[in-house]
Amino acid sequence: AQSVTQLGSHVSVSEGALVLLRCNYSSSVPPYLFWYVQYPNQGLQLLLKYTSAATLVKGINGFEAEFKKSETSFHLTKPSAHMSDAAEYFCAVRPSGGSYIPTFGRGTSLIVHP
Amino acid sequence: DGGITQSPKYLFRKEGQNVTLSCEQNLNHDAMYWYRQDPGQGLRLIYYSQIVNDFQKGDIAEGYSVSREKKESFPLTVTSAQKNPTAFYLCASSFVAGETQYFGPGTRLLVL
Repeated sequence: AQSVTQLGSHVSVSEGALVLLRCNYSSSVPPYLFWYVQYPNQGLQLLLKYTSAATLVKGINGFEAEFKKSETSFHLTKPSAHMSDAAEYFCAVRPSGGSYIPTFGRGTSLIVHP
Repeated sequence: DGGITQSPKYLFRKEGQNVTLSCEQNLNHDAMYWYRQDPGQGLRLIYYSQIVNDFQKGDIAEGYSVSREKKESFPLTVTSAQKNPTAFYLCASSFVAGETQYFGPGTRLLVL
């Protein structure tokens, strides 16, 4: 079964600092990978996704993620944090076969300090 | 505008009562999903449906039921058998199973 691990339930950065949110997946075959963002008391919205094309994926709001097969990772980064980036971020992995139903990580809460 | 809606935003359940959460989409998506969100536990899949008149149990289906009689609608019933129903419930849809999911705004269920 597919699984996804997000290291760190909370990440705290200063405004203007680099944002790095970690995601590792378990899969013998490269899957589809997603990053979603959730603002308080709202649903999730897609930030970006990897579908076996380019390994560096650019998303909305200046975020990007790099697929590294050797490390089974798909970490999310943003060069300069903004106060409006404070939210919960979820990594999800879609298996390459079976039902194709994605599995979500437990989420990382990004805190941005002024 | 196309989108996915959930109602109500807040729902209160009395002990022993069944309650139904509504989820509607006008995106013409085949697949629909229900998730439960608890603090620190991420999203856990309750049920999913890949096509009308068909649905499958997810990881935590006990105490819940669904129906998929129309492509646009995927209501979730929280039965009295669900002993700890307090949570934030999210509905999502995708063009087909496994593609990008579009989420509704959620329903927060509280127990009186």
